[in-house]
Amino acid sequence: EAGVAQSPRYKIIEKRQSVAFWCNPISGHATLYWYQQILGQGPKLLIQFQNNGVVDDSQLPKDRFSAERLKGVDSTLKIQPAKLEDSAVYLCASSFGTGSSSYEQYFGPGTRLTVT
Amino acid sequence: QQQVKQSPQSLIVQKGGISIINCAYENTAFDYFPWYQQFPGKGPALLIAIRPDVSEKKEGRFTISFNKSAKQFSLHIMDSQPGDSATYFCAASMESGTYKYIFGTGTRLKVLA
Repeated sequence: EAGVAQSPRYKIIEKRQSVAFWCNPISGHATLYWYQQILGQGPKLLIQFQNNGVVDDSQLPKDRFSAERLKGVDSTLKIQPAKLEDSAVYLCASSFGTGSSSYEQYFGPGTRLTVT
Repeated sequence: QQQVKQSPQSLIVQKGGISIINCAYENTAFDYFPWYQQFPGKGPALLIAIRPDVSEKKEGRFTISFNKSAKQFSLHIMDSQPGDSATYFCAASMESGTYKYIFGTGTRLKVLA
């Protein structure tokens, strides 16, 4: 079974530029999560989708971050404009989305963003 | 109340020794407690998880001990190996919280050969 795919793996941009990250979840997984992991910290949830609807975006800085999952499969996370403090690894995770399997989240390799 | 506190921040263990990492939580609504292992440059990988209706769960060399009254849980790695050197994260989740994870701050484990 293929895992969660993310691209690009690395990105370096200057502050005030924009950037987009892509995620393809495990086939059949209805729930998709985007996490931000700052160096030395645990991942922090940014946004959660159930199919193509947003379940939780309470910690998404909406003035600069946006995310979509138009067809309920792939997802894109965008930052515009980027700030220095956005330097982090952006992790995508997915879960089956129904019943007890909803608890188990599977993570992609992440995209390491460096803002200079 | 949504925090999960993890300790120690780093841990060095001799090969063959026992590694112990602790986590504590406040919100009694949490009902799922996973542990993730993360190697440099990789995403976190689910290692083992427990529900609050059991006090212990073992999978191979990895054991979770759960103390519901103290609101604490811990990961024990028996016969630690150099290949276990990684960062370990505990997390907590609840169905009423849409299953989202609240992660601890991580423990960097180094197992000396």
